[in-house]
Amino acid sequence: DIQVTQSPSSLSASVGDRVTITCRASHDIMNSLSWYQQKPGKAPKVLVYAASSLETGVPSRFSGSGSGTTYTLTISSLQPDDFASYYCQQYYSAPLSFGQGTKLEI
Amino acid sequence: QVQLQESGPGLVKASETLSLTCTVSGGSFRSHYWTWIRQPPGKALEWIGYIHYSGITEFKSSLQSRVSMSVDTSKDQFSLKLSSVTAADTAVYYCARPLGFCSGGLCPFDYWGQGILVTVSS
Repeated sequence: DIQVTQSPSSLSASVGDRVTITCRASHDIMNSLSWYQQKPGKAPKVLVYAASSLETGVPSRFSGSGSGTTYTLTISSLQPDDFASYYCQQYYSAPLSFGQGTKLEI
Repeated sequence: QVQLQESGPGLVKASETLSLTCTVSGGSFRSHYWTWIRQPPGKALEWIGYIHYSGITEFKSSLQSRVSMSVDTSKDQFSLKLSSVTAADTAVYYCARPLGFCSGGLCPFDYWGQGILVTVSS
């Protein structure tokens, strides 16, 4: 099974800040990585897939990068609506696995 | 517009079987590998497995002995059964659909149900 380690687990930031969240996979996952945003009481929303492809409708301040075993999600200029939890997910092989999450707080 | 809606009991007794159904509206039911994902309170997401309308399934190995899934193509529904539940199975259960471009069940997910909290009681 592929393990996905996400860091940091929590992050305090301010509106306008640039933030980066990292996921490391235990094996090369060939860019088969997606990022989700989740707000309390809501289902996750996909932001990025295939490591760097932005889902339709997602603001361009979100971007994904990486390759091999290390991937990052960057928010270039935090907006009030961005304070939420973020998860990465590898879909290279079964069982699909998610990172432990990053809670982004003001 | 694609919509998914979970339904089923919100409370299950320990050692009994959890049963949930996901009803899909919009889109093509036969084109996707329909997936169940759960999230214990305050914890991370956990993939449970998927089912295709043809009956193809794949489950997380640690749950495989307790999990079954089925589809009802006449109602555009798919279901999850998890037997011998314990408190560790208390979670919000989501049904989800893979991104449209993705074939197979190993995919990211663009459509999710709202989630249903299932609590296992002793």
